[in-house]
Amino acid sequence: EPEVTQTPSHQVTQMGQEVILRCVPISNHLYFYWYRQILGQKVEFLVSFYNNEISEKSEIFDDQFSVERPDGSNFTLKIRSTKLEDSAMYFCASNNRDRNNEQFFGPGTRLTVL
Amino acid sequence: DQQVKQNSPSLSVQEGRISILNCDYTNSMFDYFLWYKKYPAEGPTFLISISSIKDKNEDGRFTVFLNKSAKHLSLHIVPSQPGDSAVYFCAAGPNFGNEKLTFGTGTRLTIIP
Repeated sequence: EPEVTQTPSHQVTQMGQEVILRCVPISNHLYFYWYRQILGQKVEFLVSFYNNEISEKSEIFDDQFSVERPDGSNFTLKIRSTKLEDSAMYFCASNNRDRNNEQFFGPGTRLTVL
Repeated sequence: DQQVKQNSPSLSVQEGRISILNCDYTNSMFDYFLWYKKYPAEGPTFLISISSIKDKNEDGRFTVFLNKSAKHLSLHIVPSQPGDSAVYFCAAGPNFGNEKLTFGTGTRLTIIP
């Protein structure tokens, strides 16, 4: 069964450093998303992406964040200058907005900012 | 801003009995609701969904009920099995084809053998 994959599974970085989180969505999906979950809190929407552009973003997704689909398979989330409060699980998701509207989630990348 | 609330952080149910997980929402623009299940170190896995034009949707052991006037939905699992032990998230979106899912805080379900 096709699945969303994410790398790395765990990323440790120093405050102020740039990180790139990578995702490979399901191959025939057209809509891509990033969510995050800070430890003990709920899953929060960050951004959605369709047709090579951002279609919606939350207040969390400020100028420090960017997304890119550099080729036909990868979807990346870049944080330019990480802060301690960026430590969280980051989930990528994709779908085709068909009958169930189900978003398929990847296993997540745990980002730890020291 | 808790637009989707799951007021029970945890629930324990005997194996074979019914598990009932509840979710309330405040935003009347929500039109589509989903339940996800999450194991530790994994991403959320879709279970079942319902649109606001329905009041019930059933898939095997899982049934979701929607009471739109009360802005309340529930997930029933029957019979409960040990493999159902996980965190369950309720999520909502503004309409079919929505961009953004708004999640509740989750309920940790433990099935007691």
